[in-house]
This record gives sequence, C-alpha cells and structure tokens, in this order.
Amino acid sequence: GEDVEQSLFLSVREGDSSVINCTYTDSSSTYLYWYKQEPGAGLQLLTYIFSNMDMKQDQRLTVLLNKKDKHLSLRIADTQTGDSAIYFCAEGERGGSQGNLIFGKGTKLSVKP
Amino acid sequence: DADVTQTPRNRITKTGKRIMLECSQTKGHDRMYWYRQDPGLGLRLIYYSFDVKDINKGEISDGYSVSRQAQAKFSLSLESAIPNQTALYFCATSDLGLGSPTDTQYFGPGTRLTVL
Repeated sequence: GEDVEQSLFLSVREGDSSVINCTYTDSSSTYLYWYKQEPGAGLQLLTYIFSNMDMKQDQRLTVLLNKKDKHLSLRIADTQTGDSAIYFCAEGERGGSQGNLIFGKGTKLSVKP
Repeated sequence: DADVTQTPRNRITKTGKRIMLECSQTKGHDRMYWYRQDPGLGLRLIYYSFDVKDINKGEISDGYSVSRQAQAKFSLSLESAIPNQTALYFCATSDLGLGSPTDTQYFGPGTRLTVL
C-alpha cells in the first residue's frame, strides 16, 4: 500500500539550516505537501510541490523533489526557535478516488538556542 | 475568525459513554475529513465525505460513525467510547474545484479526547 516515511526527530542549533527528509511509495502522487504542527495546535500548510517540479523556494523554505527516488526534502534556512514544531510530509493525487492525503508520522524539529 | 472550527477542544469521558465531536467550516468546501493523531503514529483517516450525500470509511473507521448535516458541518461520533480511542482528533476540509490548483487540506485546531 501507499506509505510515507520520515525520521521522527531532528535537532539543530538556531541559525543553522534544517533539512527534513521524506520518502514516499506512490508514483502516481500529483502533489506533495509539507505541514507544520506547533505544540497544541492543528496542522498548518507550509508549502506544496507539484510532481513535475524539482524545486520550489518560498522565503526560508526550499522543497526539493527527486521523483526518480521518490524523495522529498524540506530545507529551512536560518532556523529559529519559532520553527520548533512537528513537520508532516504528505502525498496526494488530485482527483484520486479517495481524495485524501497520506501522511508521514511527522518529524519533530527541536531548535536549540 | 477561524475557517475550520472544532468543538469541544478538550473532552474527558468514561468508557461506554457516547461522544460527539463537531466540525464546522466557513471555507465553502465540499470535502471534509476526520483524522486521529496518536504519538508516533502520525495522522490516520477515520472517515471522509465528498459532499452531503457521500460518506466513506477511511483507514480506521471501526468504533466511529459520522454525520454530514450540511455542507459546512461534519460530526464524528463514538457510540461507546473505549480507552484506546484517547487521541487528538482533527477535522479537515478541501476543495477540488476547477479553479483550485491543489486538493490542499485545511485543518481545524483539534479536539483532545481522553477516555477513562
């Protein structure tokens, strides 16, 4: 079945870059997403990338997609303490019969001052 | 005001009780979803609805039921709560309209349910 895998924890120092990695299995995925969940809050869409793109940049965020290896990464430049959260990778197929996203288990990013 | 709201935000109940979690949205989206989140397990889909007359089971629907009362309202019920249903529950909406570039899901703030 479809699966999305992420490492569970990442710890970085403030000001460094963070790279959160994700692998997925469904080659028919149309869109890949990164969601952020701050403590005690719901999920917030950070960014998404269409499967025919290799890279997308949005301010401090850079998403890289290697479709051949089914590998997605999220790079946060100049990581701040406010970036501490759980980051979920998700894949989805637009118009798919289920119409839902498949989520990874989430990577908890800890930013140390 | 939030686009997707959930009530209650926190609930503690006892085994065997019936519980209803409610979700409302002002985004005008057709699709609505219920997920549960457990530590180390990520998000798992319970039920989803493409419109008022279309309700589908997700990955873990046993022990749950839903009702789509209107386009804007989707409620989740636990007919007889059990302790392993203790979790954080999220409602989400999405819109697969012609003008929408993605089927992005927008989440509510979550309901923390504890079953004793």
